[in-house]
Amino acid sequence: GQQLNQSPQSMFIQEGEDVSMNCTSSSIFNTWLWYKQEPGEGPVLLIALYKAGELTSNGRLTAQFGITRKDSFLNISASIPSDVGIYFCAGQPSPSSNTGKLIFGQGTTLQVKP
Amino acid sequence: ETGVTQTPRHLVMGMTNKKSLKCEQHLGHNAMYWYKQSAKKPLELMFVYSLEERVENNSVPSRFSPECPNSSHLFLHLHTLQPEDSALYLCASSQGPGRGAYNEQFFGPGTRLTVL
Repeated sequence: GQQLNQSPQSMFIQEGEDVSMNCTSSSIFNTWLWYKQEPGEGPVLLIALYKAGELTSNGRLTAQFGITRKDSFLNISASIPSDVGIYFCAGQPSPSSNTGKLIFGQGTTLQVKP
Repeated sequence: ETGVTQTPRHLVMGMTNKKSLKCEQHLGHNAMYWYKQSAKKPLELMFVYSLEERVENNSVPSRFSPECPNSSHLFLHLHTLQPEDSALYLCASSQGPGRGAYNEQFFGPGTRLTVL
């Protein structure tokens, strides 16, 4: 079945550093979403992308919908300790279904050292 | 209550027990989802309900039985589970088909299930 390859699997960085992570697929996606999950909680939607090439920001977070429609990137600038968590990419594959089905990446675990 | 709520948050059950997980969404959405989250694996979609009709069933064993009595509530009935079914079960909701932002799914906090 369709898969998303998310990398890196984990990151351990110093507070204040910038972070980059990405998701790639061998097939085309119509929508890309980025979520963050903290321990004991469900994933929280950070950014949604709907058009190839789209660049969207949410505070210190910026995500881009790759122009090939096969990848997406998430950047976090000037990381702080509360950025700790697992970041998931998710996408709706093309052609679209009418069920809203999403494919999820395996997650990037981010740890920030104060 | 706001967003998506799930009860119970934690559940321990034996293999012969019958239990149910409950999800409620307060977002006015028309689609609801059950996911299984196991360690080191991507979220696995189990069931999708749109306008209270099941539209997707991802080859889930029959020991998991969903129920969607209305667009705000979703249940997952569990019986004769196996230890490998231990996981975090997440509920999500989104706007229905034909409406904007259909793909933006909002998750509840999950039920941590342990099967002994």
